[in-house]
Amino acid sequence: EAQVTQNPRYLITVTGKKLTVTCSQNMNHEYMSWYRQDPGLGLRQIYYSMNVEVTDKGDVPEGYKVSRKEKRNFPLILESPSPNQTSLYFCASSPQGAVTGYTFGSGTRLTVV
Amino acid sequence: KNQVEQSPQSLIILEGKNCTLQCNYTVSPFSNLRWYKQDTGRGPVSLTIMTFSENTKSNGRYTATLDADTKQSSLHITASQLSDSASYICVVRASSGTYKYIFGTGTRLKVLA
Repeated sequence: EAQVTQNPRYLITVTGKKLTVTCSQNMNHEYMSWYRQDPGLGLRQIYYSMNVEVTDKGDVPEGYKVSRKEKRNFPLILESPSPNQTSLYFCASSPQGAVTGYTFGSGTRLTVV
Repeated sequence: KNQVEQSPQSLIILEGKNCTLQCNYTVSPFSNLRWYKQDTGRGPVSLTIMTFSENTKSNGRYTATLDADTKQSSLHITASQLSDSASYICVVRASSGTYKYIFGTGTRLKVLA
């Protein structure tokens, strides 16, 4: 089944403790992206990647890192999480091309205390 | 500034009734517009995609319209069901050469029995 898989689904952590949220897609998509979703603000892009070893900042990149060593994986790294990073996170992927859209993962609900 | 605005913010209807959700955008240059359905705590799932030359597209009980001149789109839901309760997000892609998707904040629909 074609899908984007995120892990974990739920995560509670303490301020300052490094964490990684994994994202993997099995559709051979070139483009991958991370979003966070907060009440009343909609989905905001954190980072995106056009292909392997090509990443760029989205609208809200502060406090996050990403890497794209393989086409299928695009982990999101929080080096020193803070409570304002408590949010619902989505990974998404899409093929290249003009008329394309995202396939989203199921989400990771992160709470930083 | 590229923006996507949706209305209403929330909507409550009775099962079996029809409803229409609105999306106005100022994204330029325009590539395509997609409507997503997002169940609570889950990733958005694509309903329809519309390009510049399309003005109506249906997916079962969902019908999307696009007026590229006025930069407006609507999503009409016919004979609503309890399972239609979700957030509906309008996403516009700019054809600027990068993968820039602009998200609306969504309309939260509640269908009551």
